[in-house]
Amino acid sequence: DAGITQSPRHKVTETGTPVTLRCHQTENHRYMYWYRQDPGHGLRLIHYSYGVKDTDKGEVSDGYSVSRSKTEDFLLTLESATSSQTSVYFCAISEGQGEDTQYFGPGTRLTVL
Amino acid sequence: SQQGEEDPQALSIQEGENATMNCSYKTSINNLQWYRQNSGRGLVHLILIRSNEREKHSGRLRVTLDTSKKSSSLLITASRAADTASYFCATGSGNTPLVFGKGTRLSVIA
Repeated sequence: DAGITQSPRHKVTETGTPVTLRCHQTENHRYMYWYRQDPGHGLRLIHYSYGVKDTDKGEVSDGYSVSRSKTEDFLLTLESATSSQTSVYFCAISEGQGEDTQYFGPGTRLTVL
Repeated sequence: SQQGEEDPQALSIQEGENATMNCSYKTSINNLQWYRQNSGRGLVHLILIRSNEREKHSGRLRVTLDTSKKSSSLLITASRAADTASYFCATGSGNTPLVFGKGTRLSVIA
């Protein structure tokens, strides 16, 4: 597996609480991505980063913010978690875009009660 | 919105049979990639085919791309129980993130 870790791997939280998920890579890849995976929806892009402090929105960015202060770390924050954000969250990395392969982390299962 | 749409949504076959899954997309692409996801794990890249290619092989995998029909197919020959997984196509166009489909769930019965 590419050197990607996600933490925590599982989290249960309550509606209205803030939650931060962390993605850490040891590959020095430029691009990092956050996806959510839900039954019937497949994999949907939340936000991505193309460099330190450079981020852009994906298809389902509402309710999420991200930060990347170091090449190796990409944080996903739910400012005030809602039950609709219950999902499995995957981080991915790639050297570039276009033809570059994405490498995925193991995922974080988040439950918002 | 999703670019690739896999078909069928689910497929169940016997070990040793071939498995074929299809991906259709809507807009121009410069490459199409297939990924596999084992239950509870992250996606793993299988193969990439560029828009100027028609067919590509990798081991027991064969991918075709028909840009005129905006479709691709993934064939897994002589399937094994270990091939049981979900398979996703992802389309790449220009300098934008890949767009993934919803996936095909493949069950290979021993």
